[in-house]
Amino acid sequence: GENVEQHPSTLSVQEGDSAVIKCTYSDSASNYFPWYKQELGKGPQLIIDIRSNVGEKKDQRIAVTLNKTAKHFSLHITETQPEDSAVYFCAASRQGYSSASKIIFGSGTRLSIRP
Amino acid sequence: ETGVTQTPRHLVMGMTNKKSLKCEQHLGHNAMYWYKQSAKKPLELMFVYSLEERVENNSVPSRFSPECPNSSHLFLHLHTLQPEDSALYLCASSQDWTTTNEQFFGPGTRLTVL
Repeated sequence: GENVEQHPSTLSVQEGDSAVIKCTYSDSASNYFPWYKQELGKGPQLIIDIRSNVGEKKDQRIAVTLNKTAKHFSLHITETQPEDSAVYFCAASRQGYSSASKIIFGSGTRLSIRP
Repeated sequence: ETGVTQTPRHLVMGMTNKKSLKCEQHLGHNAMYWYKQSAKKPLELMFVYSLEERVENNSVPSRFSPECPNSSHLFLHLHTLQPEDSALYLCASSQDWTTTNEQFFGPGTRLTVL
């Protein structure tokens, strides 16, 4: 079945440095790739997403890149701040098909920002 | 109240108990979901409802029984659970289940089965 691999499982970076989380997916028909952030005691919240017709998208300190040929996508956080500490999930889905909201999630990356 | 709410936030139950988890969305969405989140594992989709009709059931054991009385409310009825069912159960909603972009999650119910 379809799956999404996410690495690393834990990541610790110095405040102000950049953090990169990488994911690979198996379903070549996937065309929508959201990233969710889950803070302690809360449900996941969408922070950025990208569609297959775009190679890169940026929103302030957060950027996502997509390589459809290699079936890779990555989350980049620059100038990290303490409030960036959370668990981040990547996901892949096939928007526009039946069962399109059946998003396949990665296993998560616990990001810690060291002061 | 806004967004997606879940009650209770924490639940401890024995294997012979019967309990229910409740989810309510205040976003006017047509689709609602139940997910299971276990430590160090991807979120597992359990059920999908679209306009109160179940459209997805991912081989979930019958000891989990969903109910969707209307498009704003979703329940998960639990009975004779096993310790391995202990997890965070997340409810989510989206505008619809075929074309929407974002799923909005509730805070979850932390379930412990003794």
